[in-house]
Amino acid sequence: QVVLLQSGAEVKKPGASVKVSCKASGYTFTHYGFSWVRQAPGQGLEWVGWISVYSDETRSAQKFQGRVAMTTDTSTNTAYMELRRLRSDDTAVYYCARDDRSALVYMDYWGQGTLVTVSS
Amino acid sequence: QSVLTQPPSVSGAPGQTVTISCTGSGSNIGAGHDVHWYHQLPGTAPKLLIFGNNHRPSGVPDRFSASKSGTSASLAIAGLLPEDEADYYCQSYDSSLSSSIFGGGTKLTVL
Repeated sequence: QVVLLQSGAEVKKPGASVKVSCKASGYTFTHYGFSWVRQAPGQGLEWVGWISVYSDETRSAQKFQGRVAMTTDTSTNTAYMELRRLRSDDTAVYYCARDDRSALVYMDYWGQGTLVTVSS
Repeated sequence: QSVLTQPPSVSGAPGQTVTISCTGSGSNIGAGHDVHWYHQLPGTAPKLLIFGNNHRPSGVPDRFSASKSGTSASLAIAGLLPEDEADYYCQSYDSSLSSSIFGGGTKLTVL
């Protein structure tokens, strides 16, 4: 069965960076992509960005461009999302989700979420 | 403010049918991009409920159905059960933003 296992909770200071990992199992890693989605406390879902494992192409929401980097490691079947220059309003649960390998389509399997807290 | 507009809340009694709307524009739903639906129980990750406007993943009961027309889409839940109480989100693609977009979410309360 498809499982996406994310790294644990992080506490960071404003201005720092955070890197969240998402280890995939149960399917052929290179046949899909990953979207990253975040959810601030008590708020709705916000799409952050997408990476194709197949082509390494990335796209991100305009508000995160220049601040987010997404990568994958096919040797460990792991996807990563790094968010730089953290602000307090970046405090949220960050989810990885399996998406199409060539386009932004839909997210059929989700990780359990990683809480990132940004506080001085 | 979300690009896709959903009602903040809906409610219904057990056994009833409720619908949740998702209104977009000409650069997303109206441009022909597919609509997908997710539900999220408190404290858990979202789960795919409907993909490609009206297709249910394996394991999703046929009490859940969805449709799309023009610049809007809707999710219908028939025969409400207490365990349907959750937050529901629509999602599509926006050509102008070149981004995936979500609705603001709708909280379903089963009375």
